Amino acid sequence: DTGVSQNPRHKITKRGQNVTFRCDPISEHNRLYWYRQTLGQGPEFLTYFQNEAQLEKSRLLSDRFSAERPKGSFSTLEIQRTEQGDSAMYLCASSLMAGVQETQYFGPGTRLLVL
Amino acid sequence: QKEVEQNSGPLSVPEGAIASLNCTYSDRGSQSFFWYRQYSGKSPELIMSIYSNGDKEDGRFTAQLNKASQYVSLLIRDSQPSDSATYLCAVDTGGFKTIFGAGTRLFVKA
Repeated sequence: DTGVSQNPRHKITKRGQNVTFRCDPISEHNRLYWYRQTLGQGPEFLTYFQNEAQLEKSRLLSDRFSAERPKGSFSTLEIQRTEQGDSAMYLCASSLMAGVQETQYFGPGTRLLVL
Repeated sequence: QKEVEQNSGPLSVPEGAIASLNCTYSDRGSQSFFWYRQYSGKSPELIMSIYSNGDKEDGRFTAQLNKASQYVSLLIRDSQPSDSATYLCAVDTGGFKTIFGAGTRLFVKA
């Protein structure tokens, strides 16, 4: 257990529905990342927060995806009008920048299945 | 396109042998390098980080970095069946993104 928690752990939804995932980072970590991982691939970067500011978004992130990190604490990732191609593991990671070195610690992930 | 490449495997080694996992990256400006272990259905778990050329040892694990060759490797000594997993190489290019390889599947046969 890295100290990063994610909820729910599993989500099954029908195509067209909206889903929201939550990530609670390690409390002193100021950086938070969202990744998506599909079978046989490594995690793909989606978006990044420094405290409450969303500083980077991947081109993979369509307009149906939105992420927030109010007050620089927990973060939510919402997918609107889900599609079958959204089925994946959604991973959250947090880190504390120390000089030029940064190590990301991953949560357990939320596995999404869109029917 | 910034890339991190790994042999997908599977790499099969007998118990007690040395497993050697390799990774190449394309961005010469990359600063930090990581190896994560991922069991099936679980999230990645950090094993090693390395920031400068040479070797870094931690228990049975040794990470090797050669920035001139844009190459990073992970050696697992005295491999155990519990080491069977997918090993992800990750590279921090100095921006906000960490780029992951697709991973190498390792099987350690008892």
